Parts: sequence; structure tokens; C-alpha cells
Amino acid sequence: AQSVTQLGSHVSVSEGALVLLRCNYSSSVPPYLFWYVQYPNQGLQLLLKYTSAATLVKGINGFEAEFKKSETSFHLTKPSAHMSDAAEYFCAVSVTGRRALTFGSGTRLQVQP
Amino acid sequence: DAMVIQNPRYQVTQFGKPVTLSCSQTLNHNVMYWYQQKSSQAPKLLFHYYDKDFNNEADTPDNFQSRRPNTSFCFLDIRSPGLGDTAMYLCATSKDNQPQHFGDGTRLSIL
Repeated sequence: AQSVTQLGSHVSVSEGALVLLRCNYSSSVPPYLFWYVQYPNQGLQLLLKYTSAATLVKGINGFEAEFKKSETSFHLTKPSAHMSDAAEYFCAVSVTGRRALTFGSGTRLQVQP
Repeated sequence: DAMVIQNPRYQVTQFGKPVTLSCSQTLNHNVMYWYQQKSSQAPKLLFHYYDKDFNNEADTPDNFQSRRPNTSFCFLDIRSPGLGDTAMYLCATSKDNQPQHFGDGTRLSIL
């Protein structure tokens, strides 16, 4: 079975500062990894995905994530936070043969002016 | 724009009164999913349809059911909702194992 652990349920950064949201996964087979963002009272929007191609994945809104097999990590970063980045971020994993996503518990990002 | 549309956005119903949530998609995706998301928690998969094949998660309560009359529509039926079923219900679609596209959800309150 696969699982995802997101370290830090709340992260607060200043506008313009680096954003780092942590995600570690557990999977017995090569995983597919995703980051989704959820704004209040909305569904989830895909930020980026890792599907065994390049280990550094670039997504929308200036976000990127690096797949590190040795650390079983898939941390999400953005060089400079913007007020509009304030939202809930979910890391998720799936594996070949299982279509369903397993989500982490989420990290709420606050951006201070 | 192609999208996943959920109706209604907000639903309030009484304890024990059946309720149906709907999801439609214009993406022509063959897989449709229903997730339950309780306050401050991650979405939890209830079931999904792969084409016409229904796949129920092992821990989905028996009073949760689903129908998919055609490719574009999928319904979530809660036969006798309890207070613990208050949650956001998210519909998602995908083309085979491609990333899932989510609707904006239905926020269901059971009184």
C-alpha cells in the first residue's frame, strides 16, 4: 500500500519569501506523485505531477517539486511567495494498476504581507 | 471550457432524508470519482467508475451509492444521511490513469 506524509499542517511565510512544503511518500512500487492546491470552497487544482520522467518537475504559478528517491521525498517549492498563494496544498500518490489517489493530510499556507 | 460541474454547490438536508448530488463533465473522460472531504481533512475516495465498471472502496458506508447513466453524468446518493456525513463532496474525472480533474464540490450539511 502507498501513503503520503505532509510535514507541517500550517506554514506561514512572508510575501516574497521562499515557500517550502514537505511531502514524503511510501510505496512498494514506483509511484506517481502529485501536488494539488485547494482554495476555500473550491475543488482541487493540479499544480504539478511526477510520472517517472524528469526528477525536477515544473508546475503552474511558479511552483516546482523535486523527486528524490533516496529520501522518498517530493517537496514543493516556490522562490517567492505571493499573497494569492495562500491556500491548502495536498500531496498525493498513486501507483500503476490503482487509479485512486491517496492524499496527505494537507498543509495550509499563509502568506503574510 | 471543458470542465467538471457539480450541483448543487450547497445542500442542506435533514437527518435521514435521502439526498442526491450530481456531477457532469464535458471532458469525455472515462473515469469518474467521488471523494468525501470533512473539515480540515484530506479528500477520501468513496468509489469510482471506470467506464461502466463500479469500484467501491472497502470502507465506504453502505448508505452511500452511485449511479453513472452515461459518460457525462455521475450521481452520489446518500440513502439515510447521518450527522457524520456533513462534508464537502468532490467529483473528479480522468482519462484512464491521467491526472484527475476536480469539480468545485458540493458542501453538504445534515441537520
